[in-house]
Amino acid sequence: AQSVSQHNHHVILSEAASLELGCNYSYGGTVNLFWYVQYPGQHLQLLLKYFSGDPLVKGIKGFEAEFIKSKFSFNLRKPSVQWSDTAEYFCAVIRTGTASKLTFGTGTRLQVTL
Amino acid sequence: DTGVSQDPRHKITKRGQNVTFRCDPISEHNRLYWYRQTLGQGPEFLTYFQNEAQLEKSRLLSDRFSAERPKGSFSTLEIQRTEQGDSAMYLCASSPGRSSYNEQFFGPGTRLTVL
Repeated sequence: AQSVSQHNHHVILSEAASLELGCNYSYGGTVNLFWYVQYPGQHLQLLLKYFSGDPLVKGIKGFEAEFIKSKFSFNLRKPSVQWSDTAEYFCAVIRTGTASKLTFGTGTRLQVTL
Repeated sequence: DTGVSQDPRHKITKRGQNVTFRCDPISEHNRLYWYRQTLGQGPEFLTYFQNEAQLEKSRLLSDRFSAERPKGSFSTLEIQRTEQGDSAMYLCASSPGRSSYNEQFFGPGTRLTVL
């Protein structure tokens, strides 16, 4: 069974600081990878996804993530965070070609201060 | 709004009571998923439907839990004889069935509090 680890549970950054949130997964086969974001009071929204091809994927609101297969990692980055990025971020994995469940990490709460 | 909708948004019940939640997926999405999220955790998979067929159930889904999707459109999740440990956010998601891509679109959730 696959599992996902998010190393940072709570991150506090000042506006304009750079962000990197770690995500590692455990699964021997081919996977699709996702980052979801949950803004305060809102539902989960897809930030970006990796299916195949270029391991550097770009998402909405200036976020990007890099899939490093040898490290089983899919870290999320943003060069300059904004106060509006305050939210909870979840990394998730699914086995390629299946319609089955997403396996989520425990989430990282990002707090951006002015 | 054509997103996934869930009803009710909040439910408070007493231990031992039965509760039922409803999920309306995005129109024409064949796949429907239920997840449960507790404080400080990511969503955990409960069960999944392809049209009206329930194809996978998690071991988290005890015999007090039952889900249906009778006509392949909306789905219901029922919890019988609720326990305090059932308190959580119950999330529904849907995805299209024709593509090999597995992007799931989430609803706002139903927050259950068992007193």
